Amino acid sequence: DTGVSQDPRHKITKRGQNVTFRCDPISEHNRLYWYRQTLGQGPEFLTYFQNEAQLEKSRLLSDRFSAERPKGSFSTLEIQRTEQGDSAMYLCASSSEWGGIYNEQFFGPGTRLTVL
Amino acid sequence: GQQVMQIPQYQHVQEGEDFTTYCNSSTTLSNIQWYKQRPGGHPVFLIQLVKSGEVKKQKRLTFQFGEAKKNSSLHITATQTTDVGTYFCAGPGDFGNEKLTFGTGTRLTIIP
Repeated sequence: DTGVSQDPRHKITKRGQNVTFRCDPISEHNRLYWYRQTLGQGPEFLTYFQNEAQLEKSRLLSDRFSAERPKGSFSTLEIQRTEQGDSAMYLCASSSEWGGIYNEQFFGPGTRLTVL
Repeated sequence: GQQVMQIPQYQHVQEGEDFTTYCNSSTTLSNIQWYKQRPGGHPVFLIQLVKSGEVKKQKRLTFQFGEAKKNSSLHITATQTTDVGTYFCAGPGDFGNEKLTFGTGTRLTIIP
């Protein structure tokens, strides 16, 4: 399967615990995005990388959230001291950049986080 | 900040009827993208519109980008049960398509 993959698919944790999610983008894509989606809402942008550089972060991303993309390949999203309000689907997407033409984003299956 | 609204929020149609969802942005867009999310699934890209007044068709789906590049619509002719899902429009942020601002979505259900 050459699509975007995310791990784990589901995570249940207790409030106050730390969690880390992983995203493997499509191999030739240099752009990687993280979104959060709650029930009945559209995805909300969190952050994005071009290669290994984190170029933009949403105000939604509090200090408890950190994302990395070492070597410009896979990415991790860590949430420290989880709160019940962090419960959501965390979606990763990737896209390529060529010729200055805007390209579609390919989404992974998401990681559903439940904070008890 | 940029806001993207869609109407209606929900639409229930009999199989075979037509369906339309409308998307409106608070700011002018360089392009607009449409995604479909099946129940329990993830967003899947449908199409991108770039030019003012552009109309694109994919089989029974017709997409339109407004002349002012602030609104768009998706029309499905003769809906089928496979059309079930939530349709989102999405516009890029200030720096191109580095981030997408998604609309509120229109959830389509089909009555067989």
